[in-house]
Amino acid sequence: ETGVTQSPTHLIKTRGQQVTLRCSSQSGHNTVSWYQQALGQGPQFIFQYYREEENGRGNFPPRFSGLQFPNYSSELNVNALELDDSALYLCASSATGQVNEKLFFGSGTQLSVL
Amino acid sequence: GESVGLHLPTLSVQEGDNSIINCAYSNSASDYFIWYKQESGKGPQFIIDIRSNMDKRQGQRVTVLLNKTVKHLSLQIAATQPGDSAVYFCAEKSPLGSYIPTFGRGTSLIVHP
Repeated sequence: ETGVTQSPTHLIKTRGQQVTLRCSSQSGHNTVSWYQQALGQGPQFIFQYYREEENGRGNFPPRFSGLQFPNYSSELNVNALELDDSALYLCASSATGQVNEKLFFGSGTQLSVL
Repeated sequence: GESVGLHLPTLSVQEGDNSIINCAYSNSASDYFIWYKQESGKGPQFIIDIRSNMDKRQGQRVTVLLNKTVKHLSLQIAATQPGDSAVYFCAEKSPLGSYIPTFGRGTSLIVHP
């Protein structure tokens, strides 16, 4: 186990709704990255947070937003859900600044949009 | 990201055989490469990494080979076991910006007892 926990594990929403996914990072890690993994594909980078600031963003629309809290936990918010948002959402924590910094992933939140 | 089909490349091997999983990376500026293993219902798990100043690195039962000339990475698993059945991803990192690895599509390894 990595020490990264995500909630909820599964979620069903309807098109147009909003969703909030949560992630608790591993102890000692100050950076959280969010990935979207569609069925049969590799994880696609959404954004990264370091010390409560967005530190990089992938090719996702503004309706994907996030937060990082002082304890380094994080939220991913998605507004106006679309059917194509159905995917596994992965959170990964890391300790920025360390040599050979590695990502430690949680087990993900499986989101289904109907 | 780019849309791809649902069918992952698949490698089927017999228990005890050696497995070789290949990956072509895209960015010639990438200086750090990582292999991840993802079992069903879990997030990706770090296996082994290699920096661009090396061409080979060995771990326990795993070896990563890097060929920068053709931008190719491979993962060799010795004496493959049923517990090795999973999807394997290679990821690359560019020296520009934060540690944000870019993942490849993945290869499904199936180990038959």
